[in-house]
Amino acid sequence: DIQMTQSPSSLSASVGDRVTITCQASQDINNYLNWYQQKPGRAPKLLIYDASNLETGVPSRFSGSGSGTDFTFTISSLQPEDIATYYCQQYDNLPYTFGQGTKLEIK
Amino acid sequence: QVQLQESGPGLVKPSETLSLTCAVSGGSISTNNWWSWVRQPPGKGLEWIGEIYHSGSTNYSPSLKSRVTILVDKSKNQFSLKLSSVTAADTAVYYCARKGYYAPYYFDYWGQGTLVTVSS
Repeated sequence: DIQMTQSPSSLSASVGDRVTITCQASQDINNYLNWYQQKPGRAPKLLIYDASNLETGVPSRFSGSGSGTDFTFTISSLQPEDIATYYCQQYDNLPYTFGQGTKLEIK
Repeated sequence: QVQLQESGPGLVKPSETLSLTCAVSGGSISTNNWWSWVRQPPGKGLEWIGEIYHSGSTNYSPSLKSRVTILVDKSKNQFSLKLSSVTAADTAVYYCARKGYYAPYYFDYWGQGTLVTVSS
């Protein structure tokens, strides 16, 4: 299985801050990486697919980049409604695997 | 708008079989999509269990393959999950989700999730 390692595991930031989360794959996954947002008690929501493509309807403050083994997820200006846990997920190989998640809190 | 809804027992005894159903509404299950199960133990991350196409083709996670069966019922527009010989480690919120047939492969529609507790 491809291992996905996210960092940090948790993050505290202020409204308006720029927030960055990284995701590293245990092997080259091209750009076959998605990012999801999960709020407490809710199902995950797709934000970014193919490493850098914004899902329809997702605010433009969210962005992603990277290819190969190293990927970055960025919120350009943190909003209170962005408080959630964020997961990366690879689809280069079965089984699909997720990162362990990054819990984002407001400072 | 496609909607998915999980249903099934919330409590299963150890060594028994967990059975869940995902009803699909707002669209046919016989479209170019794969239908997946994903689970999340309390306070932990997401784990992909497996997927099925309306033809009946399946893919399973190797770590669960010996215990998992996913079936599709096109007449009822739903698919199901069976997980045998459960233990406390199978306690989780179980989600059903849709993934496209062609790349890019992402889960774009999810059910609300259902908590299954394994306990005697």
